[in-house]
Amino acid sequence: GESVGLHLPTLSVQEGDNSIINCAYSNSASDYFIWYKQESGKGPQFIIDIRSNMDKRQGQRVTVLLNKTVKHLSLQIAATQPGDSAVYFCAENNGNEKLTFGTGTRLTIIP
Amino acid sequence: GAVVSQHPSWVICKSGTSVKIECRSLDFQATTMFWYRQFPKQSLMLMATSNEGSKATYEQGVEKDKFLINHASLTLSTLTVTSAHPEDSSFYICSADTRQGNYGYTFGSGTRLTVV
Repeated sequence: GESVGLHLPTLSVQEGDNSIINCAYSNSASDYFIWYKQESGKGPQFIIDIRSNMDKRQGQRVTVLLNKTVKHLSLQIAATQPGDSAVYFCAENNGNEKLTFGTGTRLTIIP
Repeated sequence: GAVVSQHPSWVICKSGTSVKIECRSLDFQATTMFWYRQFPKQSLMLMATSNEGSKATYEQGVEKDKFLINHASLTLSTLTVTSAHPEDSSFYICSADTRQGNYGYTFGSGTRLTVV
């Protein structure tokens, strides 16, 4: 479903540690999910996507997990680096053209 | 990979004037593009879907006469904020559907509009 973020959740992680960012979605008809990274003053940058016929997908240092039963999505970033500091959004698509964004989480990597 | 070019990256305009923002797909054709608005510390909200050669589809609550969208070619969509007011100040971002290329939806770099 649609969400408007009035409060941006934050997560602080020590450099080198792993981070997990969570996202709950509301539309059970959604079948395609994407994680985006947004740095200040820039547009969202594609990180990784997953379709509803999968429950896990891995990329370079990132893993997305999908739990359709509880409508939950997570992004795991391994061995975090200072450049990983940004706002991360999950987004969902329910088979039409539109993409609906979640609230977002601000990730801060502590050197 | 797919690249969406958006400009200007920032613009300041006087209240009552109009501002045009361009969004181009550089290495692919985009039948459909999307326009979002993002207020500080908030998520992206879809404003409208821009369809090449036809009228845009606006989301509920978005004034189509205020936010004019033109998608005259397969590589260019424009958003014109007409009679801008300070409350229109925001970050406007366009995107294109690049799922076939396994890039998800590709976004432009955004335009920071400040109306004074």
